[in-house]
Amino acid sequence: QVQLVQSGAEVKKPGASVKVSCKASGYTFTGYYMHWVRQAPGQGLEWMGWINPNNGGTYYAQKFQGRITMTRDAPISIVYMELSSLRSDDTAVYYCARGVAVATKGSWFDPWGQGTLVTVSS
Amino acid sequence: QSALTQPASVSGSPGQSITISCTGTSSDVGGYNYVSWYQQHPGKAPKLMISDVSNRPSGVSNRFSGSKSGNTASLTISGLQAEDEADYHCSSYTTSSTWVFGGGTKLTVL
Repeated sequence: QVQLVQSGAEVKKPGASVKVSCKASGYTFTGYYMHWVRQAPGQGLEWMGWINPNNGGTYYAQKFQGRITMTRDAPISIVYMELSSLRSDDTAVYYCARGVAVATKGSWFDPWGQGTLVTVSS
Repeated sequence: QSALTQPASVSGSPGQSITISCTGTSSDVGGYNYVSWYQQHPGKAPKLMISDVSNRPSGVSNRFSGSKSGNTASLTISGLQAEDEADYHCSSYTTSSTWVFGGGTKLTVL
């Protein structure tokens, strides 16, 4: 079955960087976009950007541009999301979520990884 | 891009029907048939319930349905069950080639 498994919780100091991984299985890794979405404690969901695992192309939400980098390692079906210059308001659960197949129309996120809690605290 | 507007909470009794609204603009909800809905139980990852306004993925109960009129999308849950108690989030593709979510709605089954 399609599954996304993320790396474990992280605690970082303000100003540091964090890199979260998301390993995909059960489907053709290069055939689907991968998105990152975060959820601050008690808050709603916030879209951060996507990566095309086939060619490494990315598109980031304007809010994160300059601070976010998404990469992939296609042979091992893993995508990474690195966020730098961390602030206390970056404390959130970060999710990877598979998007639609590349070059197809439609818009949804399915499935989602289990989430990675990133805590930013001095 | 401002978040889509959802009611903070809705409630209903078992067996009843409820509807959750999701209001955006002509730049997102009103501009595309690309609204999706997610169910999230406490401490769990979101789960896709409705894609592209009204499509129900395989395995999702037919008690869940979606629709859209103008800049407002809606999720209806019929025959409410205790297991439906969760947070529900809407999402839309936008004219900026980005995605935007609503603030989430807490559904309480009385």
